Amino acid sequence: DVKVTQSSRYLVKRTGEKVFLECVQDMDHENMFWYRQDPGLGLRLIYFSYDVKMKEKGDIPEGYSVSREKKERFSLILESASTNQTSMYLCASSAPRGPYNEQFFGPGTRLTVL
Amino acid sequence: ILNVEQSPQSLHVQEGDSTNFTCSFPSSNFYALHWYRWETAKSPEALFVMTLNGDEKKKGRISATLNTKEGYSYLYIKGSQPEDSATYLCAPQDNFNKFYFGSGTKLNVKP
Repeated sequence: DVKVTQSSRYLVKRTGEKVFLECVQDMDHENMFWYRQDPGLGLRLIYFSYDVKMKEKGDIPEGYSVSREKKERFSLILESASTNQTSMYLCASSAPRGPYNEQFFGPGTRLTVL
Repeated sequence: ILNVEQSPQSLHVQEGDSTNFTCSFPSSNFYALHWYRWETAKSPEALFVMTLNGDEKKKGRISATLNTKEGYSYLYIKGSQPEDSATYLCAPQDNFNKFYFGSGTKLNVKP
């Protein structure tokens, strides 16, 4: 079974703090993704990575950065957390492109910024 | 950004009822269509991936169809059970490997 784990299920931070969300996958997947999910909206892509040290902006990268130093780990960084970044954050991984390259998700981190 | 619409937003049914939901998407640059089930406090898990117009997939009481020409997919649940309660997400995938998630249909099955 593919396992995607995220460092925290719940996190509470204060405005202006630097926040790290960690994601680890154990299936040697090349592709990794960070999404956020807000009520009434679909999962929105923040950043993704196709390989170690590679990163690409998604649809809503503002206020976020990422790091991928090792293949299995993909970190999302909120440089200076703001209240509008309160959300559910989901990490996913997938094998290289093909007809059945489903994305495998972690359980999510619910972040509250006060 | 692809505009993906799922309807209804939420659904409350009794155990034993059959139900269906819709996923609508623009048909240009289409590569595949994914359905996920997301139970509360768990990870979203893949149900189906469909690629061809007219595709039909089935897993137990759940089935899905795909129409790429008109840009929609249906998910059917026959004889709903309380354990089917979850949010069902659809995600068209484009030629560049990008997924576009709808906001989901939240299903609640009452015993």
